[in-house]
Amino acid sequence: DQQVKQNSPSLSVQEGRISILNCDYTNSMFDYFLWYKKYPAEGPTFLISISSIKDKNEDGRFTVFLNKSAKHLSLHIVPSQPGDSAVYFCAASRNAGGTSYGKLTFGQGTILTVHP
Amino acid sequence: EAQVTQNPRYLITVTGKKLTVTCSQNMNHEYMSWYRQDPGLGLRQIYYSMNVEVTDKGDVPEGYKVSRKEKRNFPLILESPSPNQTSLYFCASSGRAEAFFGQGTRLTVV
Repeated sequence: DQQVKQNSPSLSVQEGRISILNCDYTNSMFDYFLWYKKYPAEGPTFLISISSIKDKNEDGRFTVFLNKSAKHLSLHIVPSQPGDSAVYFCAASRNAGGTSYGKLTFGQGTILTVHP
Repeated sequence: EAQVTQNPRYLITVTGKKLTVTCSQNMNHEYMSWYRQDPGLGLRQIYYSMNVEVTDKGDVPEGYKVSRKEKRNFPLILESPSPNQTSLYFCASSGRAEAFFGQGTRLTVV
């Protein structure tokens, strides 16, 4: 049972435009959500996160939106750059207050390609 | 520099030959985990540890063992590897925020 789903295996965007990556979850106990970026031959690196008490978190070109009622989150990258081309994973965990950071449930990943 | 170090990076082995993949972190993190990445399935957690001598199963623990005798080290042990354990493995450590990942170990079991 895939509790975190990224239904788009790939996304292609022109440089300078907006990239929107989507993620859905089914477990209503999840209360902390993260996005990771992964380049080939490297481990995933943390990008941005959001707690369930918020509906938006912004960090530079990256913004994550959370819609709890729809159990949906999205990552917006504006403007997109060729260096953003990578695999993006969303992840979710329970009990953001303390002990859950060791247990993340990941989506399948979306390959983002930004064309110059 | 904050690091999670896995070894080896690449490993080809034969069915049934015991192997250990090591993982070490220098951030004094309490939480450490092992994940495997397979096409179309994303990263799935194998085992995690919330502190020394405290470990628990993740989503796909069958065929794997772990130990946490020291805070910095969290080795993954395959007692009798099988071809379905051919995968890309990642170790991660985390404090109270996001998890940091190692560079990965690509394991092939023939």
